[in-house]
Amino acid sequence: AQKITQTQPGMFVQEKEAVTLDCTYDTSDPSYGLFWYKQPSSGEMIFLIYQGSYDQQNATEGRYSLNFQKARKSANLVISASQLGDSAMYFCAMREGRFDGANNLFFGTGTRLTVIP
Amino acid sequence: DTGVSQNPRHKITKRGQNVTFRCDPISEHNRLYWYRQTLGQGPEFLTYFQNEAQLEKSRLLSDRFSAERPKGSFSTLEIQRTEQGDSAMYLCASSFGDRVNEKLFFGSGTQLSVL
Repeated sequence: AQKITQTQPGMFVQEKEAVTLDCTYDTSDPSYGLFWYKQPSSGEMIFLIYQGSYDQQNATEGRYSLNFQKARKSANLVISASQLGDSAMYFCAMREGRFDGANNLFFGTGTRLTVIP
Repeated sequence: DTGVSQNPRHKITKRGQNVTFRCDPISEHNRLYWYRQTLGQGPEFLTYFQNEAQLEKSRLLSDRFSAERPKGSFSTLEIQRTEQGDSAMYLCASSFGDRVNEKLFFGSGTQLSVL
């Protein structure tokens, strides 16, 4: 089974509008972390936001917020007031706490966001 | 620039040739990762160093792949006898902090094309 599922291959949003990028995850581990990364055309993966499984509040970082619904195992990224520079690939990722090893960060297949002027 | 640096940005090679990529992590980060990313996919783990010790290798890392991190600073990833299936983006990342909320900082990657 896929650890991370991103069902939207591509999304469009009007500049200055808000957009939600979907992410669902699958784990039986009570301790895990959820991440969102942005990958512009330059190739670099840029860390955006982190949510821990025990965090009581949804994470926020500037215009980014994570809509964490634990019972539904979803961790959607909300970008408010979209800017042209937000056009990029967005990856959701999960690290499971039960694995001590390094190979425990699982990425989804990504969503390509295009911001329309 | 204090980010993760990777060289070269692009590499085109003929099948059967050897290639080597370099990664310079953020200086205070003791952990270093190599990932591979193919078109339409998220990054896949290849190998991991803590300081100079290579602690883990993925099954994706065949015998033709070797990675080093001498003195726990920069790292190199070498692919011998390249195959067309090796064509991908090779990403390096470095990190610090405890394991569950460990944040990886990635470089811009090396795009390998094997002809």
